[in-house]
Amino acid sequence: EAGVTQFPSHSVIEKGQTVTLRCDPISGHDNLYWYRRVMGKEIKFLLHFVKESKQDESGMPNNRFLAERTGGTYSTLKVQPAELEDSGVYFCASNQQENTEAFFGQGTRLTVV
Amino acid sequence: AQSVAQPEDQVNVAEGNPLTVKCTYSVSGNPYLFWYVQYPNRGLQFLLKYITGDNLVKGSYGFEAEFNKSQTSFHLKKPSALVSDSALYFCAAPVSNRKLIWGLGTSLAVNP
Repeated sequence: EAGVTQFPSHSVIEKGQTVTLRCDPISGHDNLYWYRRVMGKEIKFLLHFVKESKQDESGMPNNRFLAERTGGTYSTLKVQPAELEDSGVYFCASNQQENTEAFFGQGTRLTVV
Repeated sequence: AQSVAQPEDQVNVAEGNPLTVKCTYSVSGNPYLFWYVQYPNRGLQFLLKYITGDNLVKGSYGFEAEFNKSQTSFHLKKPSALVSDSALYFCAAPVSNRKLIWGLGTSLAVNP
């Protein structure tokens, strides 16, 4: 069974550019989460999808971040325009039932220069 | 505010010695608690969880954790450390809407 996959693994972009991160959850997992770890800080929740619906987007930093999960399968997280403080590792996770362990992807390391 | 704390940035142990990575929590209700590990250049990997029942939870790679309600702790332990256990360890707890809150992480270095 394939795990959670994220693409790209690394991205270096200039301030003001746009970047789109992709996450493919484990097949059949209704819950999909995005998290971010800025260097030296704790991992922080960004948002939670249940199928194609945004269940909780309270962690999204601002309106430069847009997440979608059309069809309830893969998800994208777009940052437009990117700022220096957006640099960090973006993790995606999925699970079938809430409060069970979530399976994480390898993360996308985003560097904004 | 609900929180998870890992008081140690780094833990160093010699191979073969027991290891402990500390975690304390402050969450409402009956806590669910998780440990994840991140090996170099890898994603977060689930190690073990406490939901209810036995306070001593056994997980992957010989790790275990002890839930202590009175001390609000969930320390990760292993009787005999391996060099390959060197990694970044995270304690986490789900809160409202099931999102996870995390400790800052503890870097474990096992010296040969």
